[in-house]
Amino acid sequence: AQSVTQLGSHVSVSEGALVLLRCNYSSSVPPYLFWYVQYPNQGLQLLLKYTSAATLVKGINGFEAEFKKSETSFHLTKPSAHMSDAAEYFCAVSDSQGAQKLVFGQGTRLTINP
Amino acid sequence: DSGVTQTPKHLITATGQRVTLRCSPRSGDLSVYWYQQSLDQGLQFLIQYYNGEERAKGNILERFSAQQFPDLHSELNLSSLELGDSALYFCASSVGPTGVGSPLHFGNGTRLTVT
Repeated sequence: AQSVTQLGSHVSVSEGALVLLRCNYSSSVPPYLFWYVQYPNQGLQLLLKYTSAATLVKGINGFEAEFKKSETSFHLTKPSAHMSDAAEYFCAVSDSQGAQKLVFGQGTRLTINP
Repeated sequence: DSGVTQTPKHLITATGQRVTLRCSPRSGDLSVYWYQQSLDQGLQFLIQYYNGEERAKGNILERFSAQQFPDLHSELNLSSLELGDSALYFCASSVGPTGVGSPLHFGNGTRLTVT
């Protein structure tokens, strides 16, 4: 069974600092991996996805994530945090066999300090 | 705006009651997914329909049921409601039968409060 673990339910960084949100996955088959962002009172929005084309994936709003098979990780980073990045971030996994459902992590709430 | 419309936005009801949540997928999307988001369980996949047929089932209780109509909108029916059913219910849609090749587009959710 697939699973996702997000390390840290709450991350706080200063504006302009590096953002690092951690995600480790477990999958018995090559995975598809996703990062979604949820702003207050809104649904989830896709930030980026890994589908085995390239290990470094660039997404929207300056975010990127690197797939590391040896570490079973897919950490999300952004070089310089902006106040508008404050939101909840979810890592998700789906198996590459075409499974319909995404398995989500518990989420990480990102707070940006001025 | 994701293009996925969910109604109502908020719903307050009593234990034992039945409610229906409605979802209109993004134009052109044939798949509809239902997710439940709660503080203790996080985001849980409930069920998926593709072009009117049930495609995949997740952690959906027997008290819950769903369907997708010919116009592709979907309804999630929750009956014999319990306090623990209070949650945010999301609908998502995608073009194809899997959400892998094409991403899921989420609605803003229906917040259900059971008192």
